[in-house]
Amino acid sequence: QVQLVQSGAEVKKPGASVKVSCKASGYTFINYGISWVRQAPGQGLEWMGWISAYKSDTNYAQKLQGRVTMTTDTSTSTAYMELRSLRSDDTAVYYCARDVFRFVSDYWGQGTLVTVSS
Amino acid sequence: SYELAQPPSVSVSPGQTAAITCSGDGLGHKSVCWYQQKPGQSPLLVIYQDFKRPSGIPERFSGSNSGNTATLAISETQTMDEADFYCQAWDSSTATFGGGTRLTVL
Repeated sequence: QVQLVQSGAEVKKPGASVKVSCKASGYTFINYGISWVRQAPGQGLEWMGWISAYKSDTNYAQKLQGRVTMTTDTSTSTAYMELRSLRSDDTAVYYCARDVFRFVSDYWGQGTLVTVSS
Repeated sequence: SYELAQPPSVSVSPGQTAAITCSGDGLGHKSVCWYQQKPGQSPLLVIYQDFKRPSGIPERFSGSNSGNTATLAISETQTMDEADFYCQAWDSSTATFGGGTRLTVL
């Protein structure tokens, strides 16, 4: 069965960086893209970006350009999302999701809480 | 940046049909998905490409998209359908979520 298992919760100070991992299993990793979505406490979903697991092509949300990098490791079927220069408003649950079609996410990870606090 | 507008809340009686709208400029020319999210859970895809249902999603869930508005309809609504619903559309190389609608069944 398809599973996306994300890394554990993180607490970071403002200005630091965080790297969240998303290990995929149960399907051929390079055949699908991965989207990253975040959700601040009590708020809605925010699309962060997408990466092709095959070619590593990426699309990022304009507001995160320059601070976010998405990568994949096909040898371990793992996707990564790194966010730099963290601010308090980056506090959120971060989700990875498999895209059955571009930007259509049919399987989601369990979420990773990233807390940014001094 | 592209924006999608949803009503913050919709209420429906059990057994009735709930309709949740999603509005955006020229939305009918884009591909729309709908996600259901229950408290403490990851989102669940319920409609994609405007009206298609993933495997395992009941036929009670249907979608349409025309003009500037997409609609998610849930017929024979059950208490288990209570959740937040988000529309999503994509344009060229970026995607956007609507602000979300809380569906209350009472």
